[in-house]
Amino acid sequence: SYVVTQPPSVSVAPGQTAKITCGGNSIGTKSVNWYQQKPGQAPVLVVSVDSDRPSGMPERFSGSNSGNTATLSISRVEAGDEADYYCQVWDTTNDPAGVFGGGTKLTVL
Amino acid sequence: QLQLQESGPGLVKPSETLSLTCTVSGGPISSRSYYWGWIRQPPEKGLEWIGSIFYNGNTFYNSSLKSRVTILVDPSKNQFSLEVRSVTAADTAVYYCARQYLTAFDFWGQGSLVTVS
Repeated sequence: SYVVTQPPSVSVAPGQTAKITCGGNSIGTKSVNWYQQKPGQAPVLVVSVDSDRPSGMPERFSGSNSGNTATLSISRVEAGDEADYYCQVWDTTNDPAGVFGGGTKLTVL
Repeated sequence: QLQLQESGPGLVKPSETLSLTCTVSGGPISSRSYYWGWIRQPPEKGLEWIGSIFYNGNTFYNSSLKSRVTILVDPSKNQFSLEVRSVTAADTAVYYCARQYLTAFDFWGQGSLVTVS
């Protein structure tokens, strides 16, 4: 089955840009979605189809996807962005299946 | 605004069956634009996709759970449901229901903690 890999943690100072990666074999050929999850809350979709933002999502959240790596970028990071972030793809290699990365804890220093 | 709400027992005994229902409000579950999915999260761990269902009953399951899982849909009640059979402590998790648009889960329920003990 398809596997996507995320770094366990990323740290960034307020006002800087955070980059969270999601690695997978030829992931650039798949649509990647990103979710933000704060403690005790349900995940929230922040980027879909590699780089689309849901209505109301700040422009500070952006995504890219090429080759074997997809990236979620958060510019002008704020304390409120501290959360776990998960990437997710839909794998159709065999039976269609949703696949989540292990998650990345974003710490705002 | 679309809302999803999970409901069901919070405690299940080992070897028994976990059953949850997701009630959808603010939009029809029978829309041909969406699938409806279940995702779970064990304590202090990451997200795991369980399966997804279309309004006509077409389903996709996580291969690692397929032998123990059934997802059903009831358009007349605007609900879909999850059964996990022969549960163990490893099935203890927060269970989320969510709407799936193309490949993404764009609306989520608040989650329901199910403990196997």
